[in-house]
Amino acid sequence: SQKIEQNSEALNIQEGKTATLTCNYTNYSPAYLQWYRQDPGRGPVFLLLIRENEKEKRKERLKVTFDTTLKQSLFHITASQPADSATYLCALTKDAGNMLTFGGGTRLMVKP
Amino acid sequence: DTAVSQTPKYLVTQMGNDKSIKCEQNLGHDTMYWYKQDSKKFLKIMFSYNNKELIINETVPNRFSPKSPDKAHLNLHINSLELGDSAVYFCASSYSGRGETQYFGPGTRLLVL
Repeated sequence: SQKIEQNSEALNIQEGKTATLTCNYTNYSPAYLQWYRQDPGRGPVFLLLIRENEKEKRKERLKVTFDTTLKQSLFHITASQPADSATYLCALTKDAGNMLTFGGGTRLMVKP
Repeated sequence: DTAVSQTPKYLVTQMGNDKSIKCEQNLGHDTMYWYKQDSKKFLKIMFSYNNKELIINETVPNRFSPKSPDKAHLNLHINSLELGDSAVYFCASSYSGRGETQYFGPGTRLLVL
């Protein structure tokens, strides 16, 4: 069966360090992989999109990698800040269609 | 300047009732969606809809039906509410529905008693 797995345990890191979150998937051939941020009581907010033919994407302090051989995406936040504390969701689109399938999310806590 | 808005924000109702949640987007997008986020925080697609096509997640009970009066609105109607329908429902929209960024509303917290 198709699965998207993110570490369900919270990730606690110190301010200034790099946070690395993992998204693994099985039985998918995603055309796109996206990362979203969700704060408590709010809807998800888009951060980055990476296509199957792209290895890496950057935006300010954020970096996403996409390894279709390992079936894995890594999401990095450099120089992390307490304001980065949130739940981060990865989402896949299986083909050029529009149905996003989300992982369960990883909660990030950045301590000052 | 809210991009995707939903009403109501909170909805408390009794089992067996019929209720609707409204969604509006002012982004000029062609495609709109409904998601359900359960108590374990899993976000699951329910429907994808543009003016040409409705795609239904096969796991969604037929008590749930999307209704779109125009391109900017996609309402969710739920018949015969059950306890298990309690969740947060998110509306979202995207430009063309081809895997691009989706913009989410603030969510509607539904509690069925």
